[in-house]
Amino acid sequence: DGGITQSPKYLFRKEGQNVTLSCEQNLNHDAMYWYRQDPGQGLRLIYYSQIVNDFQKGDIAEGYSVSREKKESFPLTVTSAQKNPTAFYLCASTAYGTMKELFFGEGSRLTVL
Amino acid sequence: GQQLNQSPQSMFIQEGEDVSMNCTSSSIFNTWLWYKQEPGEGPVLLIALYKAGELTSNGRLTAQFGITRKDSFLNISASIPSDVGIYFCAGQDAGNNRKLIWGLGTSLAVNP
Repeated sequence: DGGITQSPKYLFRKEGQNVTLSCEQNLNHDAMYWYRQDPGQGLRLIYYSQIVNDFQKGDIAEGYSVSREKKESFPLTVTSAQKNPTAFYLCASTAYGTMKELFFGEGSRLTVL
Repeated sequence: GQQLNQSPQSMFIQEGEDVSMNCTSSSIFNTWLWYKQEPGEGPVLLIALYKAGELTSNGRLTAQFGITRKDSFLNISASIPSDVGIYFCAGQDAGNNRKLIWGLGTSLAVNP
């Protein structure tokens, strides 16, 4: 079945460590996105990529980094510079050139100890 | 950043009741999307709307793109326990189709 796979589902890290969240899609979508979700704050855009080897900062990119070496993959690294990294992270993709009808993965919950 | 005004923030209803929620924006939108998110999962697209006045159904769900292009509503008829979750609206500003603006969600609880 086609879809978006995020891993790991749950991740714990110590302060000062970098962690990488995986996002893979087999929908043949060109555009991929990373969102952060905190209780009561809705979804906030971290980074997005509309084509391979190109990506753009979203509203809250500080402390995060991404790469887009393959169409299917868009990993997110949460660096030690991110001051409040504990959150639920969602990866999404769309077949459209603009942001609409996003399909989401199941999310990754990161907890900093 | 820009946000949509989504209301109500939460609802607690009895099974079988109808539900209505809405979103409003300060600017004109060219797309309205309604998503449902269950605990620990990613949002799932329920209905997409692209034209002012458009009324679209998906089973017991009906959504409309407001005539002014600044609002949208979602109705759920004859609610059932599996309707529980958080419903999000999202819209694309007509002046900036590079971004999707999100509401803060309506949390729905259904008492069997």
